[in-house]
Amino acid sequence: DIQLTQSPSFLSASVGDRVTITCRASQGISSYLAWYQQKPGKAPKLLIYAASTLQSGVPSRFSGSGSGTEFTLTISSLQPEDFATYYCQQLNSSWTFGQGTKVEIK
Amino acid sequence: EVQLVQSGAEVKKPGESLKISCKGSGYSFTSYWIGWVRQMPGKGLEWMGIIYPGDSDTRYSPSFQGQVTISADKSISTAYLQWSSLKASDTAMYYCARGDGWHFPFDYWGQGTLVTVSS
Repeated sequence: DIQLTQSPSFLSASVGDRVTITCRASQGISSYLAWYQQKPGKAPKLLIYAASTLQSGVPSRFSGSGSGTEFTLTISSLQPEDFATYYCQQLNSSWTFGQGTKVEIK
Repeated sequence: EVQLVQSGAEVKKPGESLKISCKGSGYSFTSYWIGWVRQMPGKGLEWMGIIYPGDSDTRYSPSFQGQVTISADKSISTAYLQWSSLKASDTAMYYCARGDGWHFPFDYWGQGTLVTVSS
């Protein structure tokens, strides 16, 4: 099974900060990676798929990059509504998730 | 409008059986996969399995194979997740979500069904 490791697990940031979250796969997954945002008590929301394609309606401050085994999610200027937990998901074989990165207000 | 509407919260005792549902609307139910995702209290997302209602092709995560059964009734656009004998460790929020197939993410999600197993 392919394992995904996100780093950091937790980060504290301020409004306006540039934030980067990394997701590493235990073996190559081409560009078959998605990113989700989850707020407390809510279902996850798809942000990015195919490593770098923004889902319709998602603000352009979110971007994704990478291929193979290393991927990043970047929020160019953190907004108050972006404080949430973020998950990566590999889509190469099955649909497994990373362990999550919680973004909190500094 | 695409919607996945899940059945309501359940409180069960260990050893009891349970079947929860996920009803799709606003799209061709038989043309997309429905996946199930577990989230234990305060924890992350875990993919459990997935079904293609068009032909009932079903795949399970190795972690959940034999522990749950996924099924679908395409005549009523509904997918199901069931347990034959619940354990306290099955206490979690369960989400269904729609996927477009292999290599595609889950683009629409249900609201979640909270299952509590306690004696």
